[in-house]
Amino acid sequence: EVQLVESGGGLVQPGRSLRLSCAASGFTFDDYAMHWVRQAPGKGLEWVSGISWNSGSIGYADSVKGRFTISRDNAKNSLYLQMNSLRAEDTALYYCAKVDTWGGGAAFDYWGQGTLVTVSS
Amino acid sequence: EIVMTQSPATLSVSPGERATLSCRASQSVSSNLAWYQQKPGQAPRLLIYGASTRATGIPARFSGSGSGTEFTLTISSLQSEDFAVYYCQQYNNWPSLTFGGGTKVEIK
Repeated sequence: EVQLVESGGGLVQPGRSLRLSCAASGFTFDDYAMHWVRQAPGKGLEWVSGISWNSGSIGYADSVKGRFTISRDNAKNSLYLQMNSLRAEDTALYYCAKVDTWGGGAAFDYWGQGTLVTVSS
Repeated sequence: EIVMTQSPATLSVSPGERATLSCRASQSVSSNLAWYQQKPGQAPRLLIYGASTRATGIPARFSGSGSGTEFTLTISSLQSEDFAVYYCQQYNNWPSLTFGGGTKVEIK
């Protein structure tokens, strides 16, 4: 059974940093690209960032480019999102999501339950 | 960035009736289009990928059509568990992916 478990969320002040993690199990992690998708309270889904199976292809939404960094450790079956210079508008539930391809762009076939990030002073 | 526009924002439908949801892309995404269902307090669930292929375990009452810039999700006979928010997503433009704003299907 595929499982994606996010962690690392919490309350953080504007301008500070936070690192999210996603622990994956139930599939061969290094065969697939992985992504982060967020959802602000009461709002729709927003793709944040994605990374190919070998970290060779990476993408970011314009809203986070230059502030967020996605990475993965295939030996640990883990995905990460380093979030710097956080803003109030980054407040959201952050989902880790798997796609059914190694390259990057595809449909998200499995999702975690999310970790909540709140940016507030 | 490809902008995905969904309509209507809210759709009021009676149980047993057909629901038709639309998604438009600002430029062609070929057939690289997915649909998701999200219920309150839950993660999204993949319904359709490749514009028209149902994901594993998705009932046949859900169908997708379209290509290029115009797409449709049809629910042939709404069941009580189908009242939710539906999102489309394009994945043709990697490394940039985008979602539509969502359509809420509510009970009439």
